[in-house]
Amino acid sequence: SQKIEQNSEALNIQEGKTATLTCNYTNYSPAYLQWYRQDPGRGPVFLLLIRENEKEKRKERLKVTFDTTLKQSLFHITASQPADSATYLCALDTGFRSGNKLVFGAGTILRVKS
Amino acid sequence: EAQVTQNPRYLITVTGKKLTVTCSQNMNHEYMSWYRQDPGLGLRQIYYSMNVEVTDKGDVPEGYKVSRKEKRNFPLILESPSPNQTSLYFCASSFGGRQYEQYFGPGTRLTVT
Repeated sequence: SQKIEQNSEALNIQEGKTATLTCNYTNYSPAYLQWYRQDPGRGPVFLLLIRENEKEKRKERLKVTFDTTLKQSLFHITASQPADSATYLCALDTGFRSGNKLVFGAGTILRVKS
Repeated sequence: EAQVTQNPRYLITVTGKKLTVTCSQNMNHEYMSWYRQDPGLGLRQIYYSMNVEVTDKGDVPEGYKVSRKEKRNFPLILESPSPNQTSLYFCASSFGGRQYEQYFGPGTRLTVT
């Protein structure tokens, strides 16, 4: 079956450390993958998009990698701050064979402690 | 300010009473979609629209209807709501489709008793 998985358990880290979140998928061939941030009671906010031919993308303290062989994307936040605490969602394009949809993972909660 | 608005933000209703959740965007986006978010299941797409008068089913369309008569508006209609439609609903829009960043509305929390 097709699925997209993110760490179901919350990630707790200390301020200043690097947070690494994982997004794994099976039976999809995505042309691109997106990451969003969602705060409690709010809609998701777009962070980064990475295409299948890009290994890595950066934006300020954020870095995303995309490994189509491992079927995995990693999302890194360097020098994390308490304000980075939120739920992070990955979303991928399912590709032509799977209906050309944008499918979201359930998200990983990140808690950064000062 | 570029934004997606939804109304109402909170709604409690009873089984079978028709309701409409409105969605409007001011960014002249062609692509709009509706999602529901349930604990542990993530965002699941209900319907999407590539342009005016063009709509298509997402992953969980049963029990919902949509219309796209104007570019800016994309209402979600529940003809006969049931308790399993209790959820948090999000409208989203994007410039050209799913391959572009999605702009989400603030959400509508619906409870059907």
